[in-house]
Amino acid sequence: DAKTTQPTSMDCAEGRAANLPCNHSTISGNEYVYWYRQIHSQGPQYIIHGLKNNETNEMASLIITEDRKSSTLILPHATLRDTAVYYCIVSYSSEANSKLTFGKGITLSVRP
Amino acid sequence: GAVVSQHPSRVICKSGTSVKIECRSLDFQATTMFWYRQFPKQSLMLMATSNEGSKATYEQGVEKDKFLINHASLTLSTLTVTSAHPEDSSFYICSARTGASSYGYTFGSGTRLTVV
Repeated sequence: DAKTTQPTSMDCAEGRAANLPCNHSTISGNEYVYWYRQIHSQGPQYIIHGLKNNETNEMASLIITEDRKSSTLILPHATLRDTAVYYCIVSYSSEANSKLTFGKGITLSVRP
Repeated sequence: GAVVSQHPSRVICKSGTSVKIECRSLDFQATTMFWYRQFPKQSLMLMATSNEGSKATYEQGVEKDKFLINHASLTLSTLTVTSAHPEDSSFYICSARTGASSYGYTFGSGTRLTVV
């Protein structure tokens, strides 16, 4: 079973920031938070991952609360191509066999 | 970045035949690969984990004799759907990582299997 809960869907206007929340209240100390997205009929695309500190890359920012029970993925300037299903997943990064268990994700719709 | 190539992207086969799907890591060695299945409007479901040179570990409810997985090298894993039936029609996706991956897990582009 997925260890995260996300809203079913949300939308935002093109050019605005999209803030996607995720709850992972049972996360353990060694588990990372991963974000992937899946555009229709494609394989999931890695976005970002983090352990406890906030992370930023060219795609997005990841804000993890101090107690690590929730996080927010921020797409700073959403475009129409960001319309996709976004998955928040917790997993152990240091173990090669650690698997990613996908929940239902959140469908982000970016409107013109 | 790490790239995983999956082939074919689409395949249509007759009921009762077998289909092989390949998953290759192009610029890194993948000690572990994962196979997922995704039905329409549903999330990805993990089918099995394969490690190079050893037998795959299947998730509960996945028939290992029907979904044959071979991970014979550090860059190639294959999934063979044997005696395919229409209910096996789905989107199959592979994923790969190394023990020291800094990219997390890298996914292939998926294979749309239609059994007629």
